[in-house]
Amino acid sequence: DTEVTQTPKHLVMGMTNKKSLKCEQHMGHRAMYWYKQKAKKPPELMFVYSYEKLSINESVPSRFSPECPNSSLLNLHLHALQPEDSALYLCASSQVVVGGTGELFFGEGSRLTVL
Amino acid sequence: QQQVKQSPQSLIVQKGGISIINCAYENTAFDYFPWYQQFPGKGPALLIAIRPDVSEKKEGRFTISFNKSAKQFSLHIMDSQPGDSATYFCAAGYSSASKIIFGSGTRLSIRP
Repeated sequence: DTEVTQTPKHLVMGMTNKKSLKCEQHMGHRAMYWYKQKAKKPPELMFVYSYEKLSINESVPSRFSPECPNSSLLNLHLHALQPEDSALYLCASSQVVVGGTGELFFGEGSRLTVL
Repeated sequence: QQQVKQSPQSLIVQKGGISIINCAYENTAFDYFPWYQQFPGKGPALLIAIRPDVSEKKEGRFTISFNKSAKQFSLHIMDSQPGDSATYFCAAGYSSASKIIFGSGTRLSIRP
């Protein structure tokens, strides 16, 4: 079983809805990530929180809004999405390692469909 | 310069054979090269990783070969098994940052 838990596993929403994706890890990791993955494509980084400080991928539209309530929780708020935003949204966490890159631990993802 | 190029896009190997996936990068500042394995309906999971101070790393049936001068690295799966059928992503990252760049992925199918 994965140690990064994502809810919900599946979400269907209309373009006018507001919804949230949730992620939780209890490994003591201080970096958490949101990735977007389209079918047959690699994961694309959307946001990184390191010690609760946000780094943003400038290409991510403002209709995606991340939130990190504490070091073990990560949310992705969704508003006014487009059908092309339908994808698998993956949460990941890692240690913040001085002089090294921590292994990414991924959740199983939330499958989002925008109608 | 941020790209990681991966080939082939798909690969079919007979059970017991050797699966080989290749990756190339441009940015010489990359100093961390992991491989991730992803099964359908699951998130990617780290398979094996290498740093550029070594030319080869082996873990069980999985070996990374790294050629720093050519800026290339590859994954070899020995004695490939049907359970190895998955999508494999190479990646490259910086030790100083919590960020990696994924290759485009290889769908590997192992025929019984």
